[in-house]
Amino acid sequence: AQKITQTQPGMFVQEKEAVTLDCTYDTSDPSYGLFWYKQPSSGEMIFLIYQGSYDQQNATEGRYSLNFQKARKSANLVISASQLGDSAMYFCAMRETTGANSKLTFGKGITLSVRP
Amino acid sequence: NAGVMQNPRHLVRRRGQEARLRCSPMKGHSHVYWYRQLPEEGLKFMVYLQKENIIDESGMPKERFSAEFPKEGPSILRIQQVVRGDSAAYFCASSPFRRGALETQYFGPGTRLLVL
Repeated sequence: AQKITQTQPGMFVQEKEAVTLDCTYDTSDPSYGLFWYKQPSSGEMIFLIYQGSYDQQNATEGRYSLNFQKARKSANLVISASQLGDSAMYFCAMRETTGANSKLTFGKGITLSVRP
Repeated sequence: NAGVMQNPRHLVRRRGQEARLRCSPMKGHSHVYWYRQLPEEGLKFMVYLQKENIIDESGMPKERFSAEFPKEGPSILRIQQVVRGDSAAYFCASSPFRRGALETQYFGPGTRLLVL
């Protein structure tokens, strides 16, 4: 079974509007972290936001916020006031704490295109 | 404070040659991770290292691939006798270590390997 699922097709959003990118996850570990990364066409991986499984509040970082619904096992990324520079691939990733397992498990990503 | 450094950024090899990819973690980070990204896919974990130790190599192919993180110098991912299927982007990430904490991994710009 996939641990991180990102099933949305390519997403389009009008500049200055908000957009939600979906991510669901699967784990039996009570302690885990959820991460979102942005990969623009230049190829680098840019860290955006982190949510810990025990965090009481949803994470926020500037225009990025994470809609964390633990019971549903979802960690959707919300980008407010979209900018043209937000056009990129967005990856959701999870890190579990079982044993020595410290790796990130990534979803397949979602392409976001911001229209002027 | 320089980020994660990787070199070369682009590497072209003919089938059967060796590829050496280098990664210098962020200052103060003692943990290094290598990931591989095939076209149109998310990143897949390969190996997790600390100085002079391989902690988790569960994602490494059994043959031709090796990794090290010596006491001095960068981490090296080595691919012997490359084949066309090795063509991919190889990303290195680093994180600090704090016991019991799920630290964020910060990525380098990646090395794009093309096998002719």
